[in-house]
Formats: sequence, structure tokens, C-alpha cells
Amino acid sequence: NAGVTQTPKFQVLKTGQSMTLQCAQDMNHNSMYWYRQDPGMGLRLIYYSASEGTTDKGEVPNGYNVSRLNKREFSLRLESAAPSQTSVYFCASTPGRSGNTIYFGEGSWLTVV
Amino acid sequence: AQKVTQAQTEISVVEKEDVTLDCVYETRDTTYYLFWYKQPPSGELVFLIRRNSFDEQNEISGRYSWNFQKSTSSFNFTITASQVVDSAVYFCALSEAPGSARQLTFGSGTQLTVLP
Repeated sequence: NAGVTQTPKFQVLKTGQSMTLQCAQDMNHNSMYWYRQDPGMGLRLIYYSASEGTTDKGEVPNGYNVSRLNKREFSLRLESAAPSQTSVYFCASTPGRSGNTIYFGEGSWLTVV
Repeated sequence: AQKVTQAQTEISVVEKEDVTLDCVYETRDTTYYLFWYKQPPSGELVFLIRRNSFDEQNEISGRYSWNFQKSTSSFNFTITASQVVDSAVYFCALSEAPGSARQLTFGSGTQLTVLP
């Protein structure tokens, strides 16, 4: 039971470098999300995709782009990484129907130096 | 706007003690969902419970219990006879749209340390 899979789990970037975090779910869920987790701030929504072919900004979208490649995959891209983007990133998915549980990936630890 | 407050940043208890983690929420909606997640040192987020606003019955699952009080907008989590493996960060969360993580608001988390 893979659930939500994120890669890479750990990454160190230099300021200005770009990278893409990959996320895939095998539960046939419609909706997918990217969160970042910072100390003392809980999780904050970066971008989400309510269904295949759509993406929308969340609470903290600046400095990020996303692609809903297909129903399974939702990637998060940092075009020019900044130290402020040092964080733990979580991908999540939901069926999109009423009352269903939200499933999270295992997290990706990103450090920008 | 919705808000979740977990006033306890860190709690330390000795094994076998009971411990309650507080969660207070704010929302204007009459229909909403409340969640608790556990984040152990390994980092993943583990779903513990989901309650909807129409169901105020307290719930017990083994050593875990949850007390939902609409009158005080609280959804507190109690661990009975705590164990070292309970050491983790616990997040309370609120969603005004059932099943949607888009409108999921997390509290800042409570770091629970259970000492042997």
C-alpha cells in the first residue's frame, strides 16, 4: 500500500538553484496538495489541484510552481531557491468527496544554503 | 477566517502519566471537520481522528480519547497511561470543507515528550 509517495526525501540546494519535488498517489484521488511545515507554524498550503488539469494557489504560493501531470502526479517546482524556502514539504491527496480522510506523504526535507 | 490554536508548545510527562493536549478552534461555519495528526520523530504525518461538527460524542480508541465541546470550541486529545512511543508532535486541524485539504487549517503543534 504505497499511498502518497514523495521524492526526494532529503535535498540540499544552493541559493538560486532550481529543483522539483515529485508526488504520486495510487489511490485514484481527485485532489492533491502541497504544504510546507515550518517550526511553530503548523502546515501551510502552497498550491492545490482540485482535479486533473486544474491548479490553484494556496496560502503561501510565492516562489513555487506546480504541475498536475496526470491524475496520479503533482509536482512542486522551486525555480530559484531561497533560504526562506528551507522547510519540510508535504504532499497530500483526498478523493475530493465529502467526509473523506486526507492522506499525507512522508515529507521532503529541503535545505537551501 | 478559520483558526486553530494549540497553546501548549511543549509538554513533558513521565511514562504512565495521563496527558491532555488542548485544541481551540475558530470558525464561522456550522458544518466543519476537526482532525488530529501525529508526527513522530521520523517525520511522517499519521492520521488519528476526524470528527464532524454534528457529532459531539466523545471518542475513545485504546489509550487515546477525544473530548469535543462545541460550547467552548475545543477538541482536546487525551493520552492515558502515556508511553515513550507517544513522543511526537501532535497537530490539531480544522476543515470547513469535508474531505478537502485546501481549506485545512493546522494548529502550530504540541511537542509531547514522554520520559521513561
